[in-house]
Amino acid sequence: AQTVTQSQPEMSVQEAETVTLSCTYDTSESNYYLFWYKQPPSRQMILVIRQEAYKQQNATENRFSVNFQKAAKSFSLKISDSQLGDTAMYFCAQSPLDNNDMRFGAGTRLTVKP
Amino acid sequence: GAGVSQSPSNKVTEKGKDVELRCDPISGHTALYWYRQSLGQGLEFLIYFQGNSAPDKSGLPSDRFSAERTGGSVSTLTIQRTQQEDSAVYLCASSLTSGGYGTQYFGPGTRLLVL
Repeated sequence: AQTVTQSQPEMSVQEAETVTLSCTYDTSESNYYLFWYKQPPSRQMILVIRQEAYKQQNATENRFSVNFQKAAKSFSLKISDSQLGDTAMYFCAQSPLDNNDMRFGAGTRLTVKP
Repeated sequence: GAGVSQSPSNKVTEKGKDVELRCDPISGHTALYWYRQSLGQGLEFLIYFQGNSAPDKSGLPSDRFSAERTGGSVSTLTIQRTQQEDSAVYLCASSLTSGGYGTQYFGPGTRLLVL
């Protein structure tokens, strides 16, 4: 069975600073996908970034980047130059390649302070 | 193109009533998922449709929950004899393909309150 753990229920950061959200997971699969989703107060889940486990290079998407440590089963999200609009719940998720069993962590509530 | 849409956005019902929640996936997406998100919690998988295959119902919490997907497109999640513990946000997602290959795109959800 897969599990995804986000150990930080809440975090805050000053505008323009950098923050890192932690995520660990447990899977017996060798190849899989990892995701970070953002859920602002509007409830709309938005894909932030996606990482293929077979790729060693960390994914980046503008101000968002990940630190993927496959051996440690760790997948942290770094947000650089934080903006007020980054305030949201952030969910880490893991999915095998070939089935629908996508598991989500409990989420981290991030507040960006002016 | 248009994203995933869900209706209604909010639903208040009385305990014991039946409710229907609708999801319109992104056009061309073959996979459709329903999740439940209780207050302050992560997402709980409910059911999954892939093309014309039999749905994966392994996440449905009880036989009061059912879902259909007509014509491989629109899906309806039905909760019969609602209970207060059914109160949650119900999220629908669709993806171009199944499994990790297909990034899931979410709708805005339906917030259900059972009084």
